Amino acid sequence: AQSVTQPDIHITVSEGASLELRCNYSYGATPYLFWYVQSPGQGLQLLLKYFSGDTLVQGIKGFEAEFKRSQSSFNLRKPSVHWSDAAEYFCAVGASGGSYIPTFGRGTSLIVHP
Amino acid sequence: ETGVTQTPRHLVMGMTNKKSLKCEQHLGHNAMYWYKQSAKKPLELMFVYSLEERVENNSVPSRFSPECPNSSHLFLHLHTLQPEDSALYLCASSQDIGGSGTDTQYFGPGTRLTVL
Repeated sequence: AQSVTQPDIHITVSEGASLELRCNYSYGATPYLFWYVQSPGQGLQLLLKYFSGDTLVQGIKGFEAEFKRSQSSFNLRKPSVHWSDAAEYFCAVGASGGSYIPTFGRGTSLIVHP
Repeated sequence: ETGVTQTPRHLVMGMTNKKSLKCEQHLGHNAMYWYKQSAKKPLELMFVYSLEERVENNSVPSRFSPECPNSSHLFLHLHTLQPEDSALYLCASSQDIGGSGTDTQYFGPGTRLTVL
């Protein structure tokens, strides 16, 4: 079975600074990877996903993520954070065989200082 | 209306009440899901339906009873809940659950449930 770890419970950045949220997964074959964002009181919105091909994936709202097989990672990045990016971010991994439902990490809460 | 909608958005109920949560998806998807999201805990998958048939039930107490009358609608019937059932209940849908793992889930805004 697959698993995913988001090592940081909280991340605090200043507005305009760059951002990197970490995600590490465990799965024996090629994983399918997702990043979701959840604003307070809202559901999860898909930011981006990786299935195959180019390991650098572009998403909505200026986010990107890079799949690194050697490090079992799929970190989320943004070059310049806006105050509206303050939210909870979830990484998820789906298996290319077996369980078809993604497994979600515990989430990282992003705090943006003005 | 587009995407996945959930009603009500907020619900307060006593332990002896019976209530239902409703989810509707307007995406033409074949699979629907119920998740429970509690503070400080990972997202918990509760039920999965594919083409109105339940395909997964993750050891959820019987006080939660799902119903999927068609591929666009999903209900969660609640009765004799406990205070620890207070949480955000999220509905999601995906095109299929074909086993490839590539089916992207789209989430509704959730129902914030408080059990007194």
